Amino acid sequence: AQSVTQLDSQVPVFEEAPVELRCNYSSSVSVYLFWYVQYPNQGLQLLLKYLSGSTLVKGINGFEAEFNKSQTSFHLRKPSVHISDTAEYFCAVREIQGAQKLVFGQGTRLTINP
Amino acid sequence: DTAVSQTPKYLVTQMGNDKSIKCEQNLGHDTMYWYKQDSKKFLKIMFSYNNKELIINETVPNRFSPKSPDKAHLNLHINSLELGDSAVYFCASSQEGGTLLGSYNEQFFGPGTRLTVL
Repeated sequence: AQSVTQLDSQVPVFEEAPVELRCNYSSSVSVYLFWYVQYPNQGLQLLLKYLSGSTLVKGINGFEAEFNKSQTSFHLRKPSVHISDTAEYFCAVREIQGAQKLVFGQGTRLTINP
Repeated sequence: DTAVSQTPKYLVTQMGNDKSIKCEQNLGHDTMYWYKQDSKKFLKIMFSYNNKELIINETVPNRFSPKSPDKAHLNLHINSLELGDSAVYFCASSQEGGTLLGSYNEQFFGPGTRLTVL
């Protein structure tokens, strides 16, 4: 079974500041890794994914994440945030060779202050 | 031309009632899912159907019965609603058939249905 832990439930930052949202996972099998964003009263949108290859992956809206296998982490970063980045962010994993279900972390609420 | 749509968007009902949530996808996908997001924003899969066949059932009470009349639809029927059923329910879809085992196919999510049980 897999589990995902997002270490911060809320992260407030000022506009144009950098941000890092932390994600650690646990799995006995190889997994794919994802970050999803949920804007207020909307569904989930895929930000980026790690499937294989380069451990640094770039996504939409200027976000990137780095896969660290030894630390079982997949932290999300953005060098300069905007008010429009205010949203809930979810880290998720999925078995590579198994059921297609996504296992999500608890979410991190990112609030951008002017 | 929404890819994954759900109806209704909001549903308020009394305990003990039976209700249904509908989901439709126009992406031509063969696999559909239901996820539940509780009041603490925690998301967990409930069911998955592939070509109208149930493939994932995550220890959900049998008051919840998914029904897939065709590949493009996966409805969720809930009997004898309880207070703890209050949540946002998300439908999703992906294309899994005909691909190599272990390959990745993105899941596309609907906008969610907020269910409130009074």
